[in-house]
Amino acid sequence: DAGVTQSPTHLIKTRGQQVTLRCSPKSGHDTVSWYQQALGQGPQFIFQYYEEEERQRGNFPDRFSGHQFPNYSSELNVNALLLGDSALYLCASSRISRDAFFGQGTRLTVV
Amino acid sequence: GDSVTQMEGPVTLSEEAFLTINCTYTATGYPSLFWYVQYPGEGLQLLLKATKADDKGSNKGFEATYRKETTSFHLEKGSVQVSDSAVYFCALSDHKAAGNKLTFGGGTRVLVKP
Repeated sequence: DAGVTQSPTHLIKTRGQQVTLRCSPKSGHDTVSWYQQALGQGPQFIFQYYEEEERQRGNFPDRFSGHQFPNYSSELNVNALLLGDSALYLCASSRISRDAFFGQGTRLTVV
Repeated sequence: GDSVTQMEGPVTLSEEAFLTINCTYTATGYPSLFWYVQYPGEGLQLLLKATKADDKGSNKGFEATYRKETTSFHLEKGSVQVSDSAVYFCALSDHKAAGNKLTFGGGTRVLVKP
């Protein structure tokens, strides 16, 4: 049984560009949450998707947007990248209101 | 808003030493509390949790007790191994399971030397 898978594992983007990160949840899970983990810090909640809708959102600007597909996979989009967006982006999946399982993350570097 | 504060690292220990990582929280209502562990190059793994006051979570020799009176959830292990070297995160959620929004502390790096 595959766990939570994220792609790509690493990528480098230039300031002002746009990026899309992808997440496939663990089998049987219907909820996907995204977190940003800056170097040396704890993860910060970006948003959560359930039934293809954004259910909760953290304190992130509108440049951060997401989507959930009918197969429960999810995308995180970030527009107009800033140097400060460089971080490890973690996806977590769960059944609604149950314990979350995290993927290994996507390391984004903005130059 | 909700917040979690944990002791800064790194914490360096010898094998078989006793480990304590302090964690305190601020939250409205009655949050659930969690400890996650992050090994090098990996994502987060749920280590243990407690959903109400005086509950004790335990796993792999680690323990933490939910203390409402002191708003704390300190992590302890009686005898650490080199394989326990990792970053440990304390977190809270306003629902009993971690599937809802988690608020994390800044993490504590633990290094266990043989």
